[in-house]
Amino acid sequence: DAKTTQPNSMESNEEEPVHLPCNHSTISGTDYIHWYRQLPSQGPEYVIHGLTSNVNNRMASLAIAEDRKSSTLILHRATLRDAAVYYCILYNFNKFYFGSGTKLNVKP
Amino acid sequence: DAMVIQNPRYQVTQFGKPVTLSCSQTLNHNVMYWYQQKSSQAPKLLFHYYDKDFNNEADTPDNFQSRRPNTSFCFLDIRSPGLGDAAMYLCATSSRTGDWTQYFGPGTRLLVL
Repeated sequence: DAKTTQPNSMESNEEEPVHLPCNHSTISGTDYIHWYRQLPSQGPEYVIHGLTSNVNNRMASLAIAEDRKSSTLILHRATLRDAAVYYCILYNFNKFYFGSGTKLNVKP
Repeated sequence: DAMVIQNPRYQVTQFGKPVTLSCSQTLNHNVMYWYQQKSSQAPKLLFHYYDKDFNNEADTPDNFQSRRPNTSFCFLDIRSPGLGDAAMYLCATSSRTGDWTQYFGPGTRLLVL
């Protein structure tokens, strides 16, 4: 099964952009790249997903490398409410395989 | 609001005493998942239902079973809980006709004494 690799933790200042990287060197052509985040004591919530092209939504942007072996989740202006564990996930055929996640700390 | 509901939020059981966790959804999604999440770890997929078709992960212990009597409900049965089964259990749903986004419930935290 394809795996993802993420840094254990990152820190950002409030109101600044945050770039959360993810490596998925064994990704297959049919794997979608999903990002979810999990706040303390809550279930994960959807952030964004993509296949090949960069994606934007109201929460974030997803930049996917041309060879698809890595991707970056971009939070344009981090707020204190964005402090969470961010998971980069490869989705294929009904199955989500969570990476280890990056714990994002946001400093006021 | 359409949502995924898990009951109870906290469950205490005794070593070896069967326990059932429940999940219900109002999203009318045809896929339902159960994940186990231990402290400071990522969620681990146990199994999922695609409609009534049950799909078990290869490394899910036999101690874990599931039932899905209808579209709205799904149950996780732990036949003989051990201390190592203490964890957060997350239920999620997705729709095959949509973009496969998963919608998670708040989880049930299981404590085994």
